[in-house]
Amino acid sequence: RKEVEQDPGPFNVPEGATVAFNCTYSNSASQSFFWYRQDCRKEPKLLMSVYSSGNEDGRFTAQLNRASQYISLLIRDSKLSDSATYLCVEDTGRRALTFGSGTRLQVQP
Amino acid sequence: DTAVSQTPKYLVTQMGNDKSIKCEQNLGHDTMYWYKQDSKKFLKIMFSYNNKELIINETVPNRFSPKSPDKAHLNLHINSLELGDSAVYFCASSQETGVGYTFGSGTRLTVV
Repeated sequence: RKEVEQDPGPFNVPEGATVAFNCTYSNSASQSFFWYRQDCRKEPKLLMSVYSSGNEDGRFTAQLNRASQYISLLIRDSKLSDSATYLCVEDTGRRALTFGSGTRLQVQP
Repeated sequence: DTAVSQTPKYLVTQMGNDKSIKCEQNLGHDTMYWYKQDSKKFLKIMFSYNNKELIINETVPNRFSPKSPDKAHLNLHINSLELGDSAVYFCASSQETGVGYTFGSGTRLTVV
C-alpha cells in the first residue's frame, strides 16, 4: 500500500469554483503534513503546512483529520493560475518527506 | 540569487555512459536530498545528507553514488546509465531533516 494516496484527477473546474482534494496516509505516527504545488515541468514548491487545528492562507484552507488519517486542501474562488498538480506530503519521522503522486487541477475560463 | 541550483538542466546521453549532476544551495541549510520523479510524476527519495553525512540511502542501484564535499553541495554521479534511469532528478535542501524543502529546478535526464 502506498504511504500517501491521492486521486490523480484531473479535476476540471470553472473559474470561481470551489474545489477540494483529499489525501490519505497510512502512518498514524506521522506528525507533520504539507501541501506542495508543482507546475508543469517545474519544481515542487511549498504551498502550506497542515496543522491539526486547520490552516488558512487566503483562498486556501488545509485540514488534518487524524482519526480518519486524511488531509484536505480546499481552494475557493479558483483562478486560472491555480492550475497545477497539488502534492500531498507526509513527514513520517524517517528523515525525509514522503510525497504523494499528486492531484492535477485544471481551472477553465 | 537562486537558492538551490542544479546543473545541468537537461542531460541527454547514451546507455552505458557515466554522468554527474551537481547541486548547490546558498540557504545555509544543513540537509540536502536527491529525489527522482518518474514518468508517473511520483517523487521518490534517493539520498539524504545532513552536514556532509549520509543519513538516507534508499533502495537505489549502486550505480548511483552521491557525494557531499561540504554542506552546501550534493552531487550525484551515475555509472553505466540505463534506459530506466530516464527521469527528472530534483535536489532539495532543508534546515532540519523532514521540514519543508526548497527544491532545485530539476535535471531532466534522458538515456537513449
